[in-house]
Amino acid sequence: AQSVTQLDSQVPVFEEAPVELRCNYSSSVSVYLFWYVQYPNQGLQLLLKYLSGSTLVKGINGFEAEFNKSQTSFHLRKPSVHISDTAEYFCAVSDRNNFNKFYFGSGTKLNVKP
Amino acid sequence: DAGITQSPRHKVTETGTPVTLRCHQTENHRYMYWYRQDPGHGLRLIHYSYGVKDTDKGEVSDGYSVSRSKTEDFLLTLESATSSQTSVYFCAISEFSGSPTSYEQYFGPGTRLTVT
Repeated sequence: AQSVTQLDSQVPVFEEAPVELRCNYSSSVSVYLFWYVQYPNQGLQLLLKYLSGSTLVKGINGFEAEFNKSQTSFHLRKPSVHISDTAEYFCAVSDRNNFNKFYFGSGTKLNVKP
Repeated sequence: DAGITQSPRHKVTETGTPVTLRCHQTENHRYMYWYRQDPGHGLRLIHYSYGVKDTDKGEVSDGYSVSRSKTEDFLLTLESATSSQTSVYFCAISEFSGSPTSYEQYFGPGTRLTVT
């Protein structure tokens, strides 16, 4: 089974500052990678995904992530955050041999301060 | 938005009582999933289904059972609820036609279950 590590449970940041949310996964096999966002009292919404091709993936709301196979990482970045980005962010992985199972990290709460 | 509804959205029940949560989809997706979300644990897979009457266990399946008699409905049952099953439960759906381009999981709005 996969394991997904999101080292930072909470990340405070000021508005308009850059942010990076870290995600590392365990598997050495080929993987699909995802970032989801959850706003308070809502379900999860897909931000972006890496399935194949370019290792730099752009998503909604100005977010991007880079797949690094050698470091088994998929860190999420945004160059300038807004108050509305305050939410919890989840990294998820599925491996290509068992694609119908997703494994989620424990989440990172992003708190954007004015 | 993917057509996924969950019912009920909130439920309070007593220890030892049976509880059934329903997930309904209008997307005709083959795969359906039940997760629970707890602080510090992210989402953990309880059970999933890969077709009508085809289900399999996830990582936290003890105390839960599922059924899928129609493509659109996936039921999660707690046979005898315990306080440790107090959680937010999410249903998700996905489809994989062989081309990964559109592959992802779509989530329902969640059910908040409290077992007293």
